Amino acid sequence: DARVTQTPRHKVTEMGQEVTMRCQPILGHNTVFWYRQTMMQGLELLAYFRNRAPLDDSGMPKDRFSAEMPDATLATLKIQPSEPRDSAVYFCASGPQGTNTDTQYFGPGTRLTVL
Amino acid sequence: AQSVTQLGSHVSVSEGALVLLRCNYSSSVPPYLFWYVQYPNQGLQLLLKYTSAATLVKGINGFEAEFKKSETSFHLTKPSAHMSDAAEYFCAVGNQAGTALIFGKGTTLSVSS
Repeated sequence: DARVTQTPRHKVTEMGQEVTMRCQPILGHNTVFWYRQTMMQGLELLAYFRNRAPLDDSGMPKDRFSAEMPDATLATLKIQPSEPRDSAVYFCASGPQGTNTDTQYFGPGTRLTVL
Repeated sequence: AQSVTQLGSHVSVSEGALVLLRCNYSSSVPPYLFWYVQYPNQGLQLLLKYTSAATLVKGINGFEAEFKKSETSFHLTKPSAHMSDAAEYFCAVGNQAGTALIFGKGTTLSVSS
């Protein structure tokens, strides 16, 4: 049963520290999405990639957030420096190419707490 | 532009009762519509999707949804609630191109015995 994996599952850090979250998309999927979930804003898109190229990162604070896909099996989301308002659950999702390009498969999320 | 509105942030039903979770959408292109379920401390799981085929869509766990273009709605139903259905449910709109989904704020479903 292919799944999206995310590490770490939980992260507690202090304000000003760098945070790196990793995602392994389902093998063969060519689209990767990063979403952030908070109580106030719900689920929001931060960025997404197709074939490793960024297509939309308009939802991401550019001064502190960066997203990359070093290769087809790894997507990273970095926050530097982190702030308390970044506390949220960060989800990665991947989508297949070909048929069913509309469907996204979500990972379990990284719960980030910035003190 | 696309948007989704979920009516009611919290719905409570008794076990065995009908479940109805409401979702209205706005889209300038033919929409693809989705319902996802999120159990505590887990990621989102696809329940069902509408992609311009049959307007009545059946999903997992006995859920179904009907696409009504005239009402711009995609409400989720289940004839008989089970305790295990207690979770948060998200309606989302997307498009054929596989771009990012726009999610509603979510509806928390509580099921009492």
